[in-house]
Amino acid sequence: SQQGEEDPQALSIQEGENATMNCSYKTSINNLQWYRQNSGRGLVHLILIRSNEREKHSGRLRVTLDTSKKSSSLLITASRAADTASYFCAKSGATNKLIFGTGTLLAVQP
Amino acid sequence: EPEVTQTPSHQVTQMGQEVILRCVPISNHLYFYWYRQILGQKVEFLVSFYNNEISEKSEIFDDQFSVERPDGSNFTLKIRSTKLEDSAMYFCASSPALNSNQPQHFGDGTRLSIL
Repeated sequence: SQQGEEDPQALSIQEGENATMNCSYKTSINNLQWYRQNSGRGLVHLILIRSNEREKHSGRLRVTLDTSKKSSSLLITASRAADTASYFCAKSGATNKLIFGTGTLLAVQP
Repeated sequence: EPEVTQTPSHQVTQMGQEVILRCVPISNHLYFYWYRQILGQKVEFLVSFYNNEISEKSEIFDDQFSVERPDGSNFTLKIRSTKLEDSAMYFCASSPALNSNQPQHFGDGTRLSIL
């Protein structure tokens, strides 16, 4: 199965702290994408990192990819209460379909 | 910024009835997808659609499911005879090109409740 798993399953931090979420997968990928989902809402695309890239930044977000360990991490710096959401990694292989992980529920306390 | 829009936001249907979920993908996108998320579970791929035909489908997407692009803007998912286990959030997504290194843009979903 290509399905990956995120850890931790849940993370609670104070506003201003950094949050790190990890994602592992089992088979080869073309790219790995991170999405955010607010409760009851759709999936918002955050960052796409290609298999030949090691790190990408977007604002307060930093994503790393280690293909030798088949893992990725999402770092949110200087977190805000509005960052409270579920975060998912999704892997794209030879076809365009996305295989989602189990997600990390992030709670940022004001 | 262009968005994927889905209607209705919530659909309640009796078991055994047919249901059609509607999506308007982003206008210049070429690839369309349906995913579902059962409450508390992972988002699961159902089907991808390109050039007016299914390009890939999962084992969930059995004969009860069908997709259609009836005109230049809508993309629909039909469930022929709904079952209780079809209750889930259904997400439509679209992406611009064949190149798989493109993000998929998701709608807000339709919550389907089967009674």
